[in-house]
Amino acid sequence: ELKVEQNPLFLSMQEGKNYTIYCNYSTTSDRLYWYRQDPGKSLESLFVLLSNGAVKQEGRLMASLDTKARLSTLHITAAVHDLSATYFCAVPAFSSASKIIFGSGTRLSIRP
Amino acid sequence: EAQVTQNPRYLITVTGKKLTVTCSQNMNHEYMSWYRQDPGLGLRQIYYSMNVEVTDKGDVPEGYKVSRKEKRNFPLILESPSPNQTSLYFCASSLWGQGASWNYGYTFGSGTRLTVV
Repeated sequence: ELKVEQNPLFLSMQEGKNYTIYCNYSTTSDRLYWYRQDPGKSLESLFVLLSNGAVKQEGRLMASLDTKARLSTLHITAAVHDLSATYFCAVPAFSSASKIIFGSGTRLSIRP
Repeated sequence: EAQVTQNPRYLITVTGKKLTVTCSQNMNHEYMSWYRQDPGLGLRQIYYSMNVEVTDKGDVPEGYKVSRKEKRNFPLILESPSPNQTSLYFCASSLWGQGASWNYGYTFGSGTRLTVV
């Protein structure tokens, strides 16, 4: 059964610093998604990674995918308060073809 | 605007009183799904549908029903709600088939916060 693990689960960081969130998954997949969720709100799609070596960047966020290592990273550069949110990675469960499996989420808090 | 529309956004109801949460998408997506989100338990799939008249159980289907009579609509029905169904519910849709399976991930609705007292 596919498992998706994120770490860290909580991250408190200062503005201006860099950090990386890691997402590991347990079975083969060449697709991975990153979502952002603000408290009490819906999940917003950030990145869709569709192949090994895929890298996408939007502002201070950059996501990459290594399908051989079954690992994706979400790198935050020079963090700002507006990036405070919970970030989820997710992987489609190809074996069942019925759903996308989500990691537990990383709650990111950026302080001045 | 391409979107998934859920209603209502907030609902407080009493135990046993049947309710329906509506979900509609305007993207002509084949795949639709319902999730619930609970603190410490993450996002869990309730039901999904891969096309009209095709529905199947997810991980936590007990106490819920769905129907898919039209491609755009996928309502979630709680026949006899109980307090343990208090949760934040999300409807999601995705393009499916024709070589596009899982190429785009989910588009989520805005969520329905349900409280059953």
